[in-house]
Amino acid sequence: AQTVTQSQPEMSVQEAETVTLSCTYDTSESDYYLFWYKQPPSRQMILVIRQEAYKQQNATENRFSVNFQKAAKSFSLKISDSQLGDAAMYFCAYSGGGSEKLVFGKGTKLTVNP
Amino acid sequence: DTAVSQTPKYLVTQMGNDKSIKCEQNLGHDTMYWYKQDSKKFLKIMFSYNNKELIINETVPNRFSPKSPDKAHLNLHINSLELGDSAVYFCASSQVRGGAEAFFGQGTRLTVV
Repeated sequence: AQTVTQSQPEMSVQEAETVTLSCTYDTSESDYYLFWYKQPPSRQMILVIRQEAYKQQNATENRFSVNFQKAAKSFSLKISDSQLGDAAMYFCAYSGGGSEKLVFGKGTKLTVNP
Repeated sequence: DTAVSQTPKYLVTQMGNDKSIKCEQNLGHDTMYWYKQDSKKFLKIMFSYNNKELIINETVPNRFSPKSPDKAHLNLHINSLELGDSAVYFCASSQVRGGAEAFFGQGTRLTVV
């Protein structure tokens, strides 16, 4: 069974600084996808960024980028120029093996300090 | 227009009651899901439907019964509610293709007292 591990229950960053959230996963599949979702206090789940495993190039979305290390099964999220609105729970997620269901990590609570 | 909408947003009920949560998506997606987020924020798949057909049932108690009248709707009915059912329940939908983004509803916070 696929598993996703987020080893940092909580992280904090100063406004305008950079922070990296860690995620590792375990799978025997060769074709899969990885995601970072954000859940602010409003409870809404919002897709931050998505990576296809067959692509070597790391995905980027404005201030958000990933470091995808396929051999190490690592998928970290870097947030640059952190803003107060980035404060939220961040979930790493996996889908693959022909299933669209998401397998989530336990989440990292990010605090942004002014 | 909200892409995936759930009702109600909050639900407080007594043990032993039966309740339903409704979900509708206007994105034209073929696949819909129910996820459960527990008190520690852990999210786990419960059910997945593809075009009204159940395709994933993740060892959920029989008291939970999903129903999909059409591919735009997926409702969740819970019988004989227990204290441990207290959680946030999320409906989501996606296209049927690998790696498709899942769009989530705003969640229903169920509290069983």
